[in-house]
Amino acid sequence: NAGVTQTPKFQVLKTGQSMTLQCAQDMNHEYMSWYRQDPGMGLRLIHYSVGAGITDQGEVPNGYNVSRSTTEDFPLRLLSAAPSQTSVYFCASSYGHVGTSGVNEQFFGPGTRLTVL
Amino acid sequence: GEDVEQSLFLSVREGDSSVINCTYTDSSSTYLYWYKQEPGAGLQLLTYIFSNMDMKQDQRLTVLLNKKDKHLSLRIADTQTGDSAIYFCAEKGQGGKLIFGQGTELSVKP
Repeated sequence: NAGVTQTPKFQVLKTGQSMTLQCAQDMNHEYMSWYRQDPGMGLRLIHYSVGAGITDQGEVPNGYNVSRSTTEDFPLRLLSAAPSQTSVYFCASSYGHVGTSGVNEQFFGPGTRLTVL
Repeated sequence: GEDVEQSLFLSVREGDSSVINCTYTDSSSTYLYWYKQEPGAGLQLLTYIFSNMDMKQDQRLTVLLNKKDKHLSLRIADTQTGDSAIYFCAEKGQGGKLIFGQGTELSVKP
C-alpha cells in the first residue's frame, strides 16, 4: 500500500491564483481530512469527509473548497490564493470517523508546502 | 472552548529521559494521542491512551494521564538522536474532531 499520497510536494503561487492540492489513499478509508500546519499553532482542520459524497467544514474553511467523488480521492481547492494561505498542508485518512468508538488512528500524507507571494 | 497546550521546545542530551507535557480542556475525551512528526514528513501515531487508564507503557515510551488536572505527559527513556522530532498531543474533541496541540520540538544533543 502507498498509504496517503499528496501532490505536489512544493508549490509557489501568486496572489489571486487558484490551484488544487491532490490527496489520495489506497486503504479504503471512509474518513479523510485536510489540515494546515503553521508555526506555533499546531494543526488546524480545514475540511473533512466521512465518506464519498459527504463533506463538512472544519475550523478554518474560508478560502478552500473540497469534494469527495470517490472513496480514494479528496482534493483541496484554493479559489483565490492569499499570502495568509502560505502554510504546510496535510491530508489524513482513517478507517472510521474520528468521533466513532475506537482509536481511529489517522494516517497522514507527507504534506504540501505552499507559498503565496 | 476546546484547547490543547504544549510547550514549544525541549532540549535533552542523548541517553537522558525526555518528558513532554500537554494540558487539555475537554474532560469527555475518550482517547488522547501522541503523534510524532519527523523533519519533512507527515505525522505518525506514536502511542495513545484510553481515558480510563492512568498509565501506559510501550518499550521506551511511558504515557501518564492525570484526568483531574487534565494533564498528559510522554516520557521517552534513553533518548536517542533519532528521537529528534516534533511531538503533538491530541484529544478527541466535540463532534469527534481531533484537536492538536502546537507541537513540542524535541532536540537531542549527542
